[in-house]
Amino acid sequence: AQSVTQPDIHITVSEGASLELRCNYSYGATPYLFWYVQSPGQGLQLLLKYFSGDTLVQGIKGFEAEFKRSQSSFNLRKPSVHWSDAAEYFCAVGMFSGGYNKLIFGAGTRLAVHP
Amino acid sequence: DGGITQSPKYLFRKEGQNVTLSCEQNLNHDAMYWYRQDPGQGLRLIYYSQIVNDFQKGDIAEGYSVSREKKESFPLTVTSAQKNPTAFYLCASSLGAGPEPQHFGDGTRLSIL
Repeated sequence: AQSVTQPDIHITVSEGASLELRCNYSYGATPYLFWYVQSPGQGLQLLLKYFSGDTLVQGIKGFEAEFKRSQSSFNLRKPSVHWSDAAEYFCAVGMFSGGYNKLIFGAGTRLAVHP
Repeated sequence: DGGITQSPKYLFRKEGQNVTLSCEQNLNHDAMYWYRQDPGQGLRLIYYSQIVNDFQKGDIAEGYSVSREKKESFPLTVTSAQKNPTAFYLCASSLGAGPEPQHFGDGTRLSIL
């Protein structure tokens, strides 16, 4: 069965430090991969997506992610974290299944940023 | 600006009551979705609709109902049969049936009185 695992429930980093959020997926075919961010009480905002081609994708707010097929991973990175990056981050696998565009979400990683 | 509008932002339900959550989009998207979000569980799909007058059950449809009479609107009714309705509900839309990103509204938080 298709699934998405985000191993870290909570992560705390200092402002200005680098960040890597992990995402592993289980899917038999070539996946479509997404990272979303959610601020408290808000909806989800798309950070970046991978469909095909270059395995390093750039997104908004200075985020990037690298698709590694051999590791079934799509980790999110940012070289220098800002206090405003504190939020919950969701990795998702997209697939065309049963005639519709289906997203399977990980459980999320909550990021706290220390000043 | 185009987007998805969910209302109300907060909603309270009494025992035995049905409540309806509104979702409207002006993105001209064909597909619309309803998700339920519980702490530590990510998002789970309740219902989805690819076109007007057609919708399908998602992974947790029991106790919920939807309609899609207009392209722009996809209301969700939480019925009295849903015994644990307290959650954050998110509506989303996407351009069509392909693997496009889904765009989300700001959610409705439903609580039990």
